[in-house]
Amino acid sequence: DVVMTQSPLSLPVSLGQPASISCRSSQSLEHSGGDTYLSWFHQRPGQSPRRLIYKVSNRDSGVPDRFSGSGSGTDFTLKISRVEAEDLGFFYCMQGTHWPRTFGQGTKVEIK
Amino acid sequence: EVHLVESGGGFAQPGGSLRLSCAASGFPFGNYWMHWVRRAPGKGLVWVSDVSQDGSRTSSADSVKGRFTMSRDNAKNTVYLQMDSLRVEDTAVYFCVRDGPDIYDYWGQGTLVTVSS
Repeated sequence: DVVMTQSPLSLPVSLGQPASISCRSSQSLEHSGGDTYLSWFHQRPGQSPRRLIYKVSNRDSGVPDRFSGSGSGTDFTLKISRVEAEDLGFFYCMQGTHWPRTFGQGTKVEIK
Repeated sequence: EVHLVESGGGFAQPGGSLRLSCAASGFPFGNYWMHWVRRAPGKGLVWVSDVSQDGSRTSSADSVKGRFTMSRDNAKNTVYLQMDSLRVEDTAVYFCVRDGPDIYDYWGQGTLVTVSS
């Protein structure tokens, strides 16, 4: 299985400040068809995960533009330009290129 | 609007069984693979099982293989997860997930399974 490694696992941030989460895969996530199936999800306490980003850098409908995704191959990054209170919770990267789908361990974003 | 509503969670003793259901609406159900993903207390998200559009193909994580069976009824727009020989480590919130072309675009609200003696 493809191992997804996130860092940091805990991220205390101040409101209004930027934040960045790294995700590395044990194999390239570029599919033979040319797409790279790397997604980012956010899970608030008591809620189900919500997809923020798909195929590395595409924001889902309704996702604020303060969230951006980048990367290629095995190295990916989620950036939040200005953290807001509603951003607390866990962020997960996930690969959908190889079977089975695998997730990173999760990064807990806490407000300082 | 896409909706996925899980049910069937609850309490079970080790060795017991539960059957989860996920009722889908708002999209052409038979066109999509469907998955179950779980999150155990204090742990991250883990893929559990999936089923093809017509139900002819299924696969499961090694941790549940031989104990959990996923199926679907396209006439009822519903997927199921039959969970047998439950273990304490199966305690988790189980999410039903639609697997669209861009992967995991819609999630249900989850149903809690607690396995304890």
